[in-house]
Amino acid sequence: QVQLVESGGGVVQPGRSLRLSCAASGFPLRDYGMHWVRQAPGKGLEWVALISYDGTNISFGDSVRGRFTISRDNSKNTLWLQMDSLRPEDTALYYCARGDRGLDSWGQGTLVIVSS
Amino acid sequence: DIQMTQSPSTLSASVGDRVTITCRASESFSKWVAWYQQKPGKAPHLLIYKASNLESGVPSRFSGSGSGTEFTLTISSLQPDDFATYYCQQYNTYPWTFGQGTKVEIK
Repeated sequence: QVQLVESGGGVVQPGRSLRLSCAASGFPLRDYGMHWVRQAPGKGLEWVALISYDGTNISFGDSVRGRFTISRDNSKNTLWLQMDSLRPEDTALYYCARGDRGLDSWGQGTLVIVSS
Repeated sequence: DIQMTQSPSTLSASVGDRVTITCRASESFSKWVAWYQQKPGKAPHLLIYKASNLESGVPSRFSGSGSGTEFTLTISSLQPDDFATYYCQQYNTYPWTFGQGTKVEIK
């Protein structure tokens, strides 16, 4: 079955960097656009970034554009989110999700806490 | 960016009630709207895509409609498992955007 497993979260100081990973299994990653979505504690969902199935189309949400980078390696069935210049407001549970017609599969998330 | 304004923010209802949640978009577009259900401590779950298409495995009491700037999610007869938070999302234009959520509570 489709499985997405995020990792790499943790506690980091403001201004520092963190790299999240998402391991995909149960489906051919090369066939799907992939996304990162985050949810601050007690808050709603915020779409963060997309990378198209072949990596040629990338888009970011306004609050992370210029600070975050998204990449993928279809041969390794892995998606990454490189987060630089982190801010306290980036504190959230970060989900990777699959989809081109809405997000039809989600991981369980990895928690990022930005705090001094 | 397209803003999605969801209403109500909270909804109190009883088992068996018909429930409707509305999402209004800041600009008009076609049917590229999805609806999700999220329960506490869990990842969201896709219910509806392309405004009215039921995701595989989702009970038929869930339905979606709308186009332009107004979209709705309807639960025809609320079941105990349906008490959760619901989100709309537009995927017409990047950046994709979510509504702020509607919490469906037990009355």
